[in-house]
Amino acid sequence: GQQLNQSPQSMFIQEGEDVSMNCTSSSIFNTWLWYKQDPGEGPVLLIALYKAGELTSNGRLTAQFGITRKDSFLNISASIPSDVGIYFCAGQLLGAGGTSYGKLTFGQGTILTVHP
Amino acid sequence: DTAVSQTPKYLVTQMGNDKSIKCEQNLGHDTMYWYKQDSKKFLKIMFSYNNKELIINETVPNRFSPKSPDKAHLNLHINSLELGDSAVYFCASSQSSGPANTGELFFGEGSRLTVL
Repeated sequence: GQQLNQSPQSMFIQEGEDVSMNCTSSSIFNTWLWYKQDPGEGPVLLIALYKAGELTSNGRLTAQFGITRKDSFLNISASIPSDVGIYFCAGQLLGAGGTSYGKLTFGQGTILTVHP
Repeated sequence: DTAVSQTPKYLVTQMGNDKSIKCEQNLGHDTMYWYKQDSKKFLKIMFSYNNKELIINETVPNRFSPKSPDKAHLNLHINSLELGDSAVYFCASSQSSGPANTGELFFGEGSRLTVL
């Protein structure tokens, strides 16, 4: 089946630093998404990307959908303590007729720790 | 109001028992899901229902049986629990499962199942 390789597995940074994480896949996706999971909560969508090459920002977050459709990265600028959590990339592949049934393939997650 | 709510939040039980987790969404979404998150935080889809109809059934043991009495509810019943079933089970919903599916899933807070 499809697999996503997400790196790094964990990061320890100082408040104010920039962060970068990425995901690669052996197969293509039609949609790349980035979710964040806080402790004791479910994942929450941060950014969604729908076109190859697309670069999208959401506040201090920037994400790109790779041209090959097999990779994506997420950057966080000027990190703050509340950025702590687990960040997941996820890919969605549309089936025949444009159906997808919302089946997401998730990366292994990047655990982010921010020291004040 | 919690958009996707699942109960119980914690469940501790003995091997061999049968247990259920309930999920309700008040977002008016057509599609609901069960995802399993293991001890390494890996998220994997188990089932998906669209308007009470099963549309995704990953390779999950028959001991797991989802039931959707209406499109706002999706329950998960597990028979003959095994140690390996210990995980956090997340319910999620999305607006649709067809071409309009954006990949944005709204997750519940999770139900942590511990099998002793």
